[in-house]
Amino acid sequence: QSALTQPASVSGSPGQSITISCAGSSRDVGSYNLVSWYQQYPGKAPTLTIYEGTKRPSGVSSRFSGSRSGNTAFLTISGLQAEDEADYYCCSYAGTSPWVFGGGTKLTVL
Amino acid sequence: EVQLVESGGGLVQPGGSLRLSCVASGFDFNIHNMNWVRQAPGKGLEWISYISRNSDIIYYADSVKGRFTISRDNAKNSVFLQLNSLRAEDTAVYYCAREPQTIAVAVDYWGQGTLVTVSS
Repeated sequence: QSALTQPASVSGSPGQSITISCAGSSRDVGSYNLVSWYQQYPGKAPTLTIYEGTKRPSGVSSRFSGSRSGNTAFLTISGLQAEDEADYYCCSYAGTSPWVFGGGTKLTVL
Repeated sequence: EVQLVESGGGLVQPGGSLRLSCVASGFDFNIHNMNWVRQAPGKGLEWISYISRNSDIIYYADSVKGRFTISRDNAKNSVFLQLNSLRAEDTAVYYCAREPQTIAVAVDYWGQGTLVTVSS
């Protein structure tokens, strides 16, 4: 069970777009379109932002979108806002040990 | 309102045991698979265990297999995590997490977490 690989940090200015990568393998991200993304503010529980790779739960801004290419999943946030500053985690189905999270990415809005 | 309330955390010595509980309310607990996810201080999320709605499918992360046991009591709207042979590296906030009924491998509701500290 290896954690998915995310960049430790990304940053962007208000109004810009940023993309967070989540690198896995053919045993997880590459084989199953079951990647979810979570936003977490300091001291708070995470909240679901994207599920099944590309779908947004009701109430989540359309500025958030998910995609996948090969063994890597991506979370894109467009029209960056100050309130988007948080930690972001990806999670994928991984077969026999079914869930695996990424290490997390700290998003800074400059 | 959907609520998940964890309890049972605390300070325990290495090698000790704890039993975490999570009481659910505001939804039909019987139809949801449940998970435990933990987060060490200043670190990322780590999935550790899954139990299906009728307890017939159970999974553990390799890091806790053989030491932790997940269970649930649908009559009491509760899910439990028995932690045995605790190590310093098990120190974390433990979250109870609900899988949506029609979406696999996702969490739509989280508890507030309960802190487990393993230290002598």
